[in-house]
Amino acid sequence: QSALTQPASVSGSPGQSITISCTGTSSDVGGYNYVSWYQQHPGKAPKLIIYDVSNRPSGVSNRFSGSKSGNTASLTISGLQAEDEADYYCSSYTSSSTWVFGGGTRLTVL
Amino acid sequence: EVQLEESGGGLVQPGRSLRLSCAASGFTFDDYAMHWVRQAPGKGLEWVSGITWNSGSIGYADSVKGRFTISRDNAKNSLYLQMNSLRPEDTALYYCAKSRGSWSHNTLGDYWGQGTLVTVSS
Repeated sequence: QSALTQPASVSGSPGQSITISCTGTSSDVGGYNYVSWYQQHPGKAPKLIIYDVSNRPSGVSNRFSGSKSGNTASLTISGLQAEDEADYYCSSYTSSSTWVFGGGTRLTVL
Repeated sequence: EVQLEESGGGLVQPGRSLRLSCAASGFTFDDYAMHWVRQAPGKGLEWVSGITWNSGSIGYADSVKGRFTISRDNAKNSLYLQMNSLRPEDTALYYCAKSRGSWSHNTLGDYWGQGTLVTVSS
């Protein structure tokens, strides 16, 4: 149950687009379309922003989008806004019928 | 409105036990799988355990397998985590998280509680 690999930090200017990668194996990310993304602001509980690779829950901005290629999933945030500054985590279902999270990515809006 | 309220955290000595509870409301509890996710201070999220709607399938992270036991009481709309043989590395904020569906593979965490803090220290 090794954690999925995410970059520790990314940054972008308001209005720009950024992409966060999430790399796993064929036993998790590559084997299932059950990849999710979460946004967490300091001191707050995580919030689901993408599920099943590319689906957005009701109420989540369409500036957030997800995709997957092979063993790597990606979260793209377009039209970056100050309120997007947060930690982002990916997660995936695994072949062991468990879940695994990525190490998290700190997004800084410059 | 979906609400998840964790309780039972606190300061405990290494090797001792603690039982966490999560009271759920605002949805049909026995239609959904549930999970426990923890976050050590200043660290990332770690999935701890999950249980399907009917307790028919249960999973644990390797780090807690054999020490922690997840359970649920659908009549009481409650989720539990019995934590035995606690270690300092179990110190974390423990979140209760609702799944989007009934089964293990359904996305976890469409709703989260605010967490209960467990500190393992002598």
